Amino acid sequence: ETGVTQTPRHLVMGMTNKKSLKCEQHLGHNAMYWYKQSAKKPLELMFVYSLEERVENNSVPSRFSPECPNSSHLFLHLHTLQPEDSALYLCATKQGANTGELFFGEGSRLTVL
Amino acid sequence: GEDVEQSLFLSVREGDSSVINCTYTDSSSTYLYWYKQEPGAGLQLLTYIFSNMDMKQDQRLTVLLNKKDKHLSLRIADTQTGDSAIYFCAESRGKLIFGQGTELSVKP
Repeated sequence: ETGVTQTPRHLVMGMTNKKSLKCEQHLGHNAMYWYKQSAKKPLELMFVYSLEERVENNSVPSRFSPECPNSSHLFLHLHTLQPEDSALYLCATKQGANTGELFFGEGSRLTVL
Repeated sequence: GEDVEQSLFLSVREGDSSVINCTYTDSSSTYLYWYKQEPGAGLQLLTYIFSNMDMKQDQRLTVLLNKKDKHLSLRIADTQTGDSAIYFCAESRGKLIFGQGTELSVKP
C-alpha cells in the first residue's frame, strides 16, 4: 500500500468512448503526476500538477485531458483514443515539485480497441 | 541524446549476482535513482545516490556511479526469485527522467 490508489485497474474502451482514470492520494503530497508506461519504452511523463495547478504538459495529444480538483485527486479524461494509446497509466505523487521520492499507484491498464 | 538508456532484459540464476546498467545524459543531475516495479504494481524507490558519491551500499544492493562516463549500475548480491521485477534507472533534471526498464528474471 503506497498511499496512492488508482481506479479502475483495468479498462477496455472503444475509440469513440469517453472514460476517465482516477487517482487518489492519502499522503498529503502537493505534486501529482501522470505517466504512460508502454512496453520497452522509457516511462513517459504526461502531466504534472503542483498545488493543483498544471505546471507541465509534455506535448500530450488533446484526447487526454487532466483534471486536478483538489490536492487529493487527479483525473485523466480520455476521449476518441487510438489503439496506440493502449498502455499502463501510472499516477505518482511527491512532496515538492523537484527532487524527492515519487510514490506510484499500481496503474490503470488501458486497452483501446 | 536526451534518453536514459538501459538494456531490456537480464537473466540470472538464484544465488548469483545481478548487475543492471544504465547510461544517463545530464552531468548536472544531482541525484540518480533506481526504482523497482514488481508484476502488477507501480514503481517503488529502491535506492538512490547523490552525484558527489561513487558508491553506495545498502544490504544486498550496491550502486556504482561513474560520472565521467555518465554510467550508473545496480548490483544485487545473492539474487533471489523475489528480486524478479523491472528495474528503472532515473536521473533528476528538475523532474525525473526514466529509462525503459530492465526486466530481471531469476531462475531457480
